[in-house]
Amino acid sequence: QVQLQESGPGLVKPSETLSLTCSISGGSISDYYWSWIRQPPGKGLDWIGYIFFSGNTNYNPSLKSRVTISLDTSKNQFSLNLSSVTAADTAVYYCARERWLYGVDVWSRGTTVTVSS
Amino acid sequence: EIVLTQSPATLSLSPGERATLSCRASQSINSYLAWYQQKPGQAPRLLIYDTSNRATGIPARFSGSGSGTDFTLTISSLEPEDFAVYYCQQRSNWLTFGGGTQVEI
Repeated sequence: QVQLQESGPGLVKPSETLSLTCSISGGSISDYYWSWIRQPPGKGLDWIGYIFFSGNTNYNPSLKSRVTISLDTSKNQFSLNLSSVTAADTAVYYCARERWLYGVDVWSRGTTVTVSS
Repeated sequence: EIVLTQSPATLSLSPGERATLSCRASQSINSYLAWYQQKPGQAPRLLIYDTSNRATGIPARFSGSGSGTDFTLTISSLEPEDFAVYYCQQRSNWLTFGGGTQVEI
């Protein structure tokens, strides 16, 4: 059974870069889209972007200028970098797996990232 | 960008009642619409994919339907564990989620 686990700092200062890594266990990277999705406190879900197993990426247009998602197949991990963060980036961050037409079927537990000085 | 609008924002029902949740897209989408359930402090859980297909382990009381711009999630008879927030999600070039419907007792 595939499991996803995020790692990274829970507190980031304004204007700095938020960096998270998602470790994939129990399954293959191939044939899936690997996404980052966030949820601000008390609000809905906001897709940040994905990386396909081939390395192709796609980002939410509203965040595109600040987002980089990368994949390390040797470590079965993918990562998120979000630059120039503000308080509006405070959220629970999820990493997740999507298979085309089959939905986002595996989610991490989520990690809270707070942007504050 | 395709915008998904969910209604109602809140649905107040009792156990055993039928719940009908709506999701409307700002433009026609393929059948690729999914539904998720989220309980407080938990990650979302996939319920329905491709408009009407139940995900693995999802009870038969959950069903999805629709086409074009209008989609529906139906819970035929609410169980106590079904009271939660429900999100729809579409997949065109990228993913977008609706704002959610809270199903409360």
